[in-house]
Amino acid sequence: DVKVTQSSRYLVKRTGEKVFLECVQDMDHENMFWYRQDPGLGLRLIYFSYDVKMKEKGDIPEGYSVSREKKERFSLILESASTNQTSMYLCASSLLTSGKNEQYFGPGTRLTVT
Amino acid sequence: AQTVTQSQPEMSVQEAETVTLSCTYDTSENNYYLFWYKQPPSRQMILVIRQEAYKQQNATENRFSVNFQKAAKSFSLKISDSQLGDTAMYFCAFTSYSGGGADGLTFGKGTHLIIQP
Repeated sequence: DVKVTQSSRYLVKRTGEKVFLECVQDMDHENMFWYRQDPGLGLRLIYFSYDVKMKEKGDIPEGYSVSREKKERFSLILESASTNQTSMYLCASSLLTSGKNEQYFGPGTRLTVT
Repeated sequence: AQTVTQSQPEMSVQEAETVTLSCTYDTSENNYYLFWYKQPPSRQMILVIRQEAYKQQNATENRFSVNFQKAAKSFSLKISDSQLGDTAMYFCAFTSYSGGGADGLTFGKGTHLIIQP
């Protein structure tokens, strides 16, 4: 089974702090994604990556950056956390050649910025 | 840009009943994938069912089936013999067929399904 893990289930940070959210997958997937989930808005794509050191902006990249130094790890960075970034963050991965476009999700990190 | 619309924020049915969740989408593309994901209170997103746009046959997975109407851009999920464990948020999602699978998913806002005992 594909396993996608995220470094924290819950995180509380102060406004202005630099925040790192880590995601690791163990199935050698090429593609990795970061989404944020807000009530009434569903999930929205922040960034994604299809290869090491490659990144693409999603629908809401403002205020975020990402890093992918190793194939299995994809980090989401909040350079200066703000209260409007309080949200649930979900990481996902998918296999490039599967032809199925199925994404496998981690358990999510609930981030609160105070 | 693609959009996905789920018009039912919340639904409640009795255990063992059949329930249908609605989803419509808008796209100019001809090749794409549609998904239904389930998110129970544990928050873990679980893939329920997948449909390729080029396939006319509706996908089925045990008690879950879809009614895919490509011309109408409609993709509803039917859950038969509903169980208490089906209580969850259900999200309809779309992704284009890029060949590489590197496109992100576009999600609807979700339907909160409650199965009553």
